Amino acid sequence: DTGVSQDPRHKITKRGQNVTFRCDPISEHNRLYWYRQTLGQGPEFLTYFQNEAQLEKSRLLSDRFSAERPKGSFSTLEIQRTEQGDSAMYLCASSYGVLYEQYFGPGTRLTVT
Amino acid sequence: AQSVTQLDSQVPVFEEAPVELRCNYSSSVSVYLFWYVQYPNQGLQLLLKYLSGSTLVKGINGFEAEFNKSQTSFHLRKPSVHISDTAEYFCAVSDRSTDKLIFGTGTRLQVFP
Repeated sequence: DTGVSQDPRHKITKRGQNVTFRCDPISEHNRLYWYRQTLGQGPEFLTYFQNEAQLEKSRLLSDRFSAERPKGSFSTLEIQRTEQGDSAMYLCASSYGVLYEQYFGPGTRLTVT
Repeated sequence: AQSVTQLDSQVPVFEEAPVELRCNYSSSVSVYLFWYVQYPNQGLQLLLKYLSGSTLVKGINGFEAEFNKSQTSFHLRKPSVHISDTAEYFCAVSDRSTDKLIFGTGTRLQVFP
């Protein structure tokens, strides 16, 4: 068990560019979650997957955001046409399911200039 | 809709002193409650959780919390803090239909020697 990993750890991009983040959950965890954390705030839920199925999306997830988990293992979060307001820490977590602990990765810090 | 309020954004305390971090929640349904800790440049780590049963919950690193349904509170306590407890602490809630977490804004615990 190597924990949840995220790549890259830091990303600096210019406004209008597309970015993609990757999350590798703990193996055998069925559920995978994405959260966003801005400075001075707690994490905010974005979306989550049960295996490869995306079960819920927050209203925070605009049309510019898309998440996938194609084979029920790793997941990607893509942001198209980035805006300065997208600057945040993007956190990934995984768990066995409801009532089980969510294990968080170290996050990807996105800076949009 | 559920929400979490952490009344104190910062709590300074001297080493070996007791500490209480306050958390109040709002929900129209039964909830699960959690406390997470975030050390600098690290991911969120679960300290403890309340799902059901005994209202006094013990967690890692000597922390405990008490669920009070009438006051809709879930305050975190430690009888004697260490320098190493300096971190950001987040209270979170989820309901029984979905395990997405709703976080408070966090409390920064600063322990001084």
